[in-house]
Amino acid sequence: SQQGEEDPQALSIQEGENATMNCSYKTSINNLQWYRQNSGRGLVHLILIRSNEREKHSGRLRVTLDTSKKSSSLLITASRAADTASYFCAPRMDSSYKLIFGSGTRLLVRP
Amino acid sequence: DTGVSQNPRHKITKRGQNVTFRCDPISEHNRLYWYRQTLGQGPEFLTYFQNEAQLEKSRLLSDRFSAERPKGSFSTLEIQRTEQGDSAMYLCASSSSGEGSPLHFGNGTRLTVT
Repeated sequence: SQQGEEDPQALSIQEGENATMNCSYKTSINNLQWYRQNSGRGLVHLILIRSNEREKHSGRLRVTLDTSKKSSSLLITASRAADTASYFCAPRMDSSYKLIFGSGTRLLVRP
Repeated sequence: DTGVSQNPRHKITKRGQNVTFRCDPISEHNRLYWYRQTLGQGPEFLTYFQNEAQLEKSRLLSDRFSAERPKGSFSTLEIQRTEQGDSAMYLCASSSSGEGSPLHFGNGTRLTVT
């Protein structure tokens, strides 16, 4: 299956704390993308990490990729209430044009 | 870049009626996707267009569903003889062809079948 599986399903933290979400997948990939979805809205692309990269940063986001374990993690540092959303990972296979999403991690940041 | 636009934002229909949704992708994007999302779940892939050609249709899509993308620009998704199980958020996304190209999503059309 091309689908990524996010863990945990739900996460509740206090504003200012760090949030870590994990993603596991089963196939070899070309890249892996993370998306955020606020309630009632479409998904927004956050960051892409290629299969030959191990870590990538974007602002308060840090993504790691371990292709030997077929896993990725998304770290949000110094979380804010506005980070409250669902987060999805989407592994992309070498020849694939589409992204298959799991059920996501629902993050709640308490003010 | 005005983003992906979907209309209508909300649609309430009675069971058995037909509905049609429209998606206007980002103009230079040649790839267009439709997804369906129910509460608490991730988006499920429905179908994919490369320009005007529909290259894949999910088995989730019954014969009551049809999608078009005439001239490779906007796309429509039609559901015939709607059922209560069709109630969901229908999301459209577009992207360019590069392997690292992210998907740009619209804010969806929420369908409620009564």
